[in-house]
Amino acid sequence: QVQLVQSGAEVKKPGASVMVSCKASGYTFTDYTIHWVRQAPGQSLEWMGWIIPANGNTKYSQNFQGRVTITRDTSATTAYMELSSLRSEDTAVYYCARPRSIAGRPNEGFDSWGQGTLVTVSS
Amino acid sequence: DIQMIQSPSSLSASVGDRVTITCRASQSINRNLNWYQQKPGKVPNLLIYSASSLQGGVPSRFSGSGSGTDFTLTISSLQPEDFATYYCQQTNTGDTFGPGTKVDIK
Repeated sequence: QVQLVQSGAEVKKPGASVMVSCKASGYTFTDYTIHWVRQAPGQSLEWMGWIIPANGNTKYSQNFQGRVTITRDTSATTAYMELSSLRSEDTAVYYCARPRSIAGRPNEGFDSWGQGTLVTVSS
Repeated sequence: DIQMIQSPSSLSASVGDRVTITCRASQSINRNLNWYQQKPGKVPNLLIYSASSLQGGVPSRFSGSGSGTDFTLTISSLQPEDFATYYCQQTNTGDTFGPGTKVDIK
């Protein structure tokens, strides 16, 4: 079955960077995009960006332009999300998610999610 | 950026009630609209994709409709396990989630 397993919780100081990993299994990693979504405490979901594992192409939300970088290691079937210049407002649970539709088709929603990684930004 | 508005932001209902949640986009998104259910401490669960298609394994009491800018999620007969927060998501241009609708027990 499809599984997305994320790295563990992080505590960072303001101004630092954080990298969260997402290990995929149970499907062909290069067939589907991987998206990153975050959720601040008590708030809605916020889309951050995606990567096409087959070619490394990325697209980012304008809200994070310049601060977020999504990469992948196809040999390890793992995607990574790095967020820099952290501030307290970046405290949130970060999720990786896989669409139900294969790369190249319109996104029909995320049917597989990682378990979430809590990133706490505090001085 | 496309903005999504959900209404109501919260509602109280009883088991067996018919519940309707509305999502409106700031511009046409065709039928590129998905609905999720999220319970506290859990990951979101895809209910409806492409405005009206039921995701596998989701009970048939959930249904979706709409196109363009206005969309609706309906729960035909609310069950105890349906008390949760519901989010819409547009995927027409980038991805944007609505602010959520919390459904709790009356």
